Amino acid sequence: DGGITQSPKYLFRKEGQNVTLSCEQNLNHDAMYWYRQDPGQGLRLIYYSQIVNDFQKGDIAEGYSVSREKKESFPLTVTSAQKNPTAFYLCASSIGRRTSTDTQYFGPGTRLTVL
Amino acid sequence: QKEVEQDPGPLSVPEGAIVSLNCTYSNSAFQYFMWYRQYSRKGPELLMYTYSSGNKEDGRFTAQVDKSSKYISLFIRDSQPSDSATYLCAMSAYNTNAGKSTFGDGTTLTVKP
Repeated sequence: DGGITQSPKYLFRKEGQNVTLSCEQNLNHDAMYWYRQDPGQGLRLIYYSQIVNDFQKGDIAEGYSVSREKKESFPLTVTSAQKNPTAFYLCASSIGRRTSTDTQYFGPGTRLTVL
Repeated sequence: QKEVEQDPGPLSVPEGAIVSLNCTYSNSAFQYFMWYRQYSRKGPELLMYTYSSGNKEDGRFTAQVDKSSKYISLFIRDSQPSDSATYLCAMSAYNTNAGKSTFGDGTTLTVKP
């Protein structure tokens, strides 16, 4: 089945720890995205990547880092510098390449809780 | 002021009702308009997308765009309990950073049997 997978589904972090959230897609999409969703709020863009080995900061990149070494994978690291990391994290992908209707497809999400 | 404003809800309707979900926007460059449905604790799923002004129908769902008023709507006819979810509008400008969409905050809908 084609799609986007995220792991783990639930993640618990202690204060001061870095954690990495996994995102994999087998849709052959060029573009990938990371969003954060807080209760009652919409999606806020953390980072996005339009092509392998290239990525750009979104609206709330502080305290996060990413890598894009493979087309299929776009892991997100939540560092200890992120002051309020408890949230629902969503990964998405799209065809990219400046297509005119570049809709995004989302993974199931990872719920991160800081203890 | 946010680029995209969505009616906050929550919205509660009886089964069979017609539901109207609405967003307004300020960026006149937006040309692609999408609606996503998000069930609790799940990722959003694309429901419909439309290009520029006009209507698009898919079963019980109709997406409407009025670019002159910078206003989009999603209508759900004969609403069902399975339609209970949060609905997110999203929009993007043509030929900008591929797929970089701006999302509304979502409207939570409950359809009561």
